[in-house]
Amino acid sequence: GAGVSQSPRYKVTKRGQDVALRCDPISGHVSLYWYRQALGQGPEFLTYFNYEAQQDKSGLPNDRFSAERPEGSISTLTIQRTEQRDSAMYRCASSPTLYNEQFFGPGTRLTVL
Amino acid sequence: RKEVEQDPGPFNVPEGATVAFNCTYSNSASQSFFWYRQDCRKEPKLLMSVYSSGNEDGRFTAQLNRASQYISLLIRDSKLSDSATYLCVVNKRSGGYQKVTFGTGTKLQVIP
Repeated sequence: GAGVSQSPRYKVTKRGQDVALRCDPISGHVSLYWYRQALGQGPEFLTYFNYEAQQDKSGLPNDRFSAERPEGSISTLTIQRTEQRDSAMYRCASSPTLYNEQFFGPGTRLTVL
Repeated sequence: RKEVEQDPGPFNVPEGATVAFNCTYSNSASQSFFWYRQDCRKEPKLLMSVYSSGNEDGRFTAQLNRASQYISLLIRDSKLSDSATYLCVVNKRSGGYQKVTFGTGTKLQVIP
């Protein structure tokens, strides 16, 4: 079956612009996670959802970052007024329930010029 | 102290060698543990869960030491295809919520 998909795969934007990154989880997966990964580092937790409820957003770096999952399926991570330091690989993962194995998408490579 | 710590490596080992990685965690309330594998420029994929009694999957053995707060991954008879970064993951559950922490990863390079 289809895995986790993310779009766009690559995004180049200018400093100050807003960007929206989309994650389409595996059908039926209850939990959805957002991570940011720098080169040579492990994924850094940003936020996660259980169904449509955002249960933990403690990893979001600042209030320019927000995420939603309004119908408990597709999720969007939005970064407002992007800065160069926001450049990274943004990864989404889903799992059947909480505490289970996570299945990762291919990521969105964000470059802020 | 970081919540989850791994030796970044790289570990350069010859084919056929046995190699072991450790991952230490700071929160004694952590409850579930995993090893993921990440190939260069790819997404992480689950290698194996780590059970309290230890578990084995072919050439791979995972163990948990709660007293010393570390998990380990042993790879026997290393293959070239084992070259990758190995990430440990620690989950803590609390009242229906969870906190997931990834380590920074240990890079393994298996040499012909």
